[in-house]
Amino acid sequence: SQKIEQNSEALNIQEGKTATLTCNYTNYSPAYLQWYRQDPGRGPVFLLLIRENEKEKRKERLKVTFDTTLKQSLFHITASQPADSATYLCALGGNNRLAFGKGNQVVVIP
Amino acid sequence: DVKVTQSSRYLVKRTGEKVFLECVQDMDHENMFWYRQDPGLGLRLIYFSYDVKMKEKGDIPEGYSVSREKKERFSLILESASTNQTSMYLCASSLIGSSGANVLTFGAGSRLTVL
Repeated sequence: SQKIEQNSEALNIQEGKTATLTCNYTNYSPAYLQWYRQDPGRGPVFLLLIRENEKEKRKERLKVTFDTTLKQSLFHITASQPADSATYLCALGGNNRLAFGKGNQVVVIP
Repeated sequence: DVKVTQSSRYLVKRTGEKVFLECVQDMDHENMFWYRQDPGLGLRLIYFSYDVKMKEKGDIPEGYSVSREKKERFSLILESASTNQTSMYLCASSLIGSSGANVLTFGAGSRLTVL
């Protein structure tokens, strides 16, 4: 069966350090992968998209890698700040729909 | 900025009631989606629509129906609400970009409690 796996345990990280989140998937061949941020009680907000033929994408302090051989994406927040505390969801795209992982919470400690 | 507006932030309904959740987007997006989000289960796709009067089942359509009479509006209908439909419901819209990718803009969500 198709699975998208993100770590269910919250990542607690000191301010200024790099937070790294993992998204693993099985039985998917996504055309692209996206990352979203979700704050409590609100809808997810799009952050980054990376396509199957791309290895890495950056946007400000965010970096995403995509390894279709390992079936894995890594999401990095460099120089993390308390305002980065949120839940981050990965989503796999294809066939006009997106399938989401369950999300991974990040807590940045001042 | 694209706005996706969900008509109700909080609803409380009784078992067996018919429930309408309304969603409106203001940027002429072709695609619209309904997801539900539950702790430990994440976001699950209920239905989506890629054009007016068109609809496609998602992963968990049972117990739900949808209506898209106008491009900007996508309604989720619970014909007879049950307690296991207590959840956060999220509407989203998207425009397929030149990259061919679906980037979703979500509404703030509607938290439905069925008693």
